[in-house]
Amino acid sequence: GAVVSQHPSRVICKSGTSVKIECRSLDFQATTMFWYRQFPKQSLMLMATSNEGSKATYEQGVEKDKFLINHASLTLSTLTVTSAHPEDSSFYICSARKKSSGGVPPTNYEQYFGPGTRLTVT
Amino acid sequence: QQPVQSPQAVILREGEDAVINCSSSKALYSVHWYRQKHGEAPVFLMILLKGGEQKGHEKISASFNEKKQQSSLYLTASQLSYSGTYFCGTANSGYSTLTFGKGTMLLVSP
Repeated sequence: GAVVSQHPSRVICKSGTSVKIECRSLDFQATTMFWYRQFPKQSLMLMATSNEGSKATYEQGVEKDKFLINHASLTLSTLTVTSAHPEDSSFYICSARKKSSGGVPPTNYEQYFGPGTRLTVT
Repeated sequence: QQPVQSPQAVILREGEDAVINCSSSKALYSVHWYRQKHGEAPVFLMILLKGGEQKGHEKISASFNEKKQQSSLYLTASQLSYSGTYFCGTANSGYSTLTFGKGTMLLVSP
């Protein structure tokens, strides 16, 4: 299988505090993980691509100093929302890409999503 | 560039069929289909690579027309469990990230 976990599933915090969200691939190694944000009834918006052992690549418009990403191992990536504000309230979902063998492009990779984290900033 | 999904929403009775389309203005390398239920994460259904292949997953199948830069998801004899929002994610190369469409909401009623 390909299981991705996220912790916590739901968090409520006060404005100005920081929140850390963990994403783990439980039964496979993931050199690449992705962080998405989803507003109600809307599509998945990619925030950043997290590569193990290197700096994350952020999408245009995403503040890298506000959304800190660390991919410390092949099974763990963390997203820290710093100085959270009510407008940061959203559903944050991570996904993990299965590691491909060899030096060829991942021609048949699959992306598996974690269960998501509902962040509410009051 | 975000792929365009159609229709926006479909309401079916149990046992009926549906087709969801996903089209792109750019050349596609692969198309990924997901289903998401309310408040949950998207669940991977299948991936299609360029070459015009078709795939199946139970009573759900999909096709990929590379020339037309589009993919279609076919749901036959729909079940109540098929209800949810279906997203297609497209990639322009083997290394590129996925860009998701706005989703198609499917509701199957008894």
